[in-house]
Amino acid sequence: DTGVSQNPRHKITKRGQNVTFRCDPISEHNRLYWYRQTLGQGPEFLTYFQNEAQLEKSRLLSDRFSAERPKGSFSTLEIQRTEQGDSAMYLCASSLEGGRYTFGSGTRLTVV
Amino acid sequence: DAKTTQPTSMDCAEGRAANLPCNHSTISGNEYVYWYRQIHSQGPQYIIHGLKNNETNEMASLIITEDRKSSTLILPHATLRDTAVYYCIVRGFIDGGTSYGKLTFGQGTILTVHP
Repeated sequence: DTGVSQNPRHKITKRGQNVTFRCDPISEHNRLYWYRQTLGQGPEFLTYFQNEAQLEKSRLLSDRFSAERPKGSFSTLEIQRTEQGDSAMYLCASSLEGGRYTFGSGTRLTVV
Repeated sequence: DAKTTQPTSMDCAEGRAANLPCNHSTISGNEYVYWYRQIHSQGPQYIIHGLKNNETNEMASLIITEDRKSSTLILPHATLRDTAVYYCIVRGFIDGGTSYGKLTFGQGTILTVHP
């Protein structure tokens, strides 16, 4: 069990650019979650997958955001045309259904 | 999922027990109480969860009142490394009770353990 891995750890991008983050879950976990966290706030749910199926998307996930989990393994979260308001920590977690979440260390995005 | 209410911040002396309260007065019968914590610049970490009985593991104890409307997380001998934000979350079922819902985080309690 190597835990949940997120890459990159930090990303600085210019406004208007596209960025993509990757999450590698614990291999036997069938659920994968994406959260966003801004300073002083708790993590906010964005979306989750069960295997390769995206089962729920938050209304926070605008049409500039897209997430995929091909083959039910790793997942990517892409943000198109980034805005300064997208600056946040993006957290990924995985679990077995009904099980405890294991979080990664997150990707900190700064949009300048 | 039921909403939870936690104090914004708490202090605790190193070596003493830290008792973190959580109110969840609208909890329903099949909803579990979960506790996670988040140390600065890390992802949240699972601590413990329970339904109606008190629970204990190597990290903490969880005391749930008989009416299940509130609970207390107890760190029996707090250390400086326990300084973190502690989240109390109530998690239930979706899809007609066939599947667990997602975790919904509030703002949590900032616990500061001081020497």
